[in-house]
Amino acid sequence: RKEVEQDPGPFNVPEGATVAFNCTYSNSASQSFFWYRQDCRKEPKLLMSVYSSGNEDGRFTAQLNRASQYISLLIRDSKLSDSATYLCVVNWGGSNYKLTFGKGTLLTVNP
Amino acid sequence: GAVVSQHPSRVICKSGTSVKIECRSLDFQATTMFWYRQFPKQSLMLMATSNEGSKATYEQGVEKDKFLINHASLTLSTLTVTSAHPEDSSFYICSASLAGGSSPLHFGNGTRLTVT
Repeated sequence: RKEVEQDPGPFNVPEGATVAFNCTYSNSASQSFFWYRQDCRKEPKLLMSVYSSGNEDGRFTAQLNRASQYISLLIRDSKLSDSATYLCVVNWGGSNYKLTFGKGTLLTVNP
Repeated sequence: GAVVSQHPSRVICKSGTSVKIECRSLDFQATTMFWYRQFPKQSLMLMATSNEGSKATYEQGVEKDKFLINHASLTLSTLTVTSAHPEDSSFYICSASLAGGSSPLHFGNGTRLTVT
């Protein structure tokens, strides 16, 4: 079983649409969770951390369900500039932590 | 602005040669840096953890004699791909955390290596 699994995608949506990304992780001891975005042939950039209580940053909302080992990202009113690959990232924990990345889900927002 | 700088961003080399990639933390000290590799349409895979002043810790399946890591200062880690082969062609990315622990990582801009 893969450690971090994401929707395989790709997603193609019109501008203004709401898009949801789902992610599950296998290690119940995981301690911290993030969503990164990666543009084509570029490095990943942190989009937002994910907290148990859920958190929102503008059009982006992240949710974590520890019991189900499930993470989600919701993008509202999608923009052309949101087109990218969205990576679900999990930290197994510890001071010298290691992040495990999902394969990513490609989103294309069309005009 | 960028907190981690990586150089070069792109390199093409001949099979059998060695390539050095530099990763610098900008305006902060990084006792630990991480080196990742990403093949096309694949997820980032951790290769090794670079520790300032001590030996790097390599992930299973990563040859330490092929991928030499040196972390001689608190702001610089280098990855040298020795005797490169075409199958080493990949996107290599370094990262560091501003605060350690469970803080998110910041990535360098990556190095696209092509071995001909």
